[in-house]
Amino acid sequence: DSGVTQTPKHLITATGQRVTLRCSPRSGDLSVYWYQQSLDQGLQFLIQYYNGEERAKGNILERFSAQQFPDLHSELNLSSLELGDSALYFCASSVERGGFTEAFFGQGTRLTVV
Amino acid sequence: AQKVTQAQTEISVVEKEDVTLDCVYETRDTTYYLFWYKQPPSGELVFLIRRNSFDEQNEISGRYSWNFQKSTSSFNFTITASQVVDSAVYFCALSEAGDDKIIFGKGTRLHILP
Repeated sequence: DSGVTQTPKHLITATGQRVTLRCSPRSGDLSVYWYQQSLDQGLQFLIQYYNGEERAKGNILERFSAQQFPDLHSELNLSSLELGDSALYFCASSVERGGFTEAFFGQGTRLTVV
Repeated sequence: AQKVTQAQTEISVVEKEDVTLDCVYETRDTTYYLFWYKQPPSGELVFLIRRNSFDEQNEISGRYSWNFQKSTSSFNFTITASQVVDSAVYFCALSEAGDDKIIFGKGTRLHILP
């Protein structure tokens, strides 16, 4: 158990809909990272938050957004969903502000868009 | 720019054979971190090892060993006496100090045949 909790584990939704994925980081970790794993793109970095503020952005679509709350949990919002958004979404947490030296991921949320 | 290459897309070996998974990385930084993760069929990402760029000492953990060679920018992973439970996708990854993301290779799918 990595200590990073993601909910839900599975999500099935229709095209055009909006979903929210939730991540609770390990106790004491201030950084949260979101990754998308799709068959064609592999594991791709989406976005990072540190102590409530956006720290870095990767290949995140404009239809996607994230935030980190005062209690440090984070949510990834995916809107106007398309079939191609079907993927495994991972959250990871780290105590550092910069430099990914900690290495623990949640179990992922498998999103299926139909 | 950071890049991780896992040239072996898929490998099949018979149980009890040794198998080496290759990883070649590119980075301009002198300080960086290398990782290996295991993704079993259940989907979670399991952290296996992290090495920093200043520590080229090879590491052994049970049946697992890692060979880090800066001269060839490689960080190879060997499983000795493979077991069926080792069947998974293995990812090599890189993070540069001060950066805020981890870059993954495309992964190597390992099949251990009984």
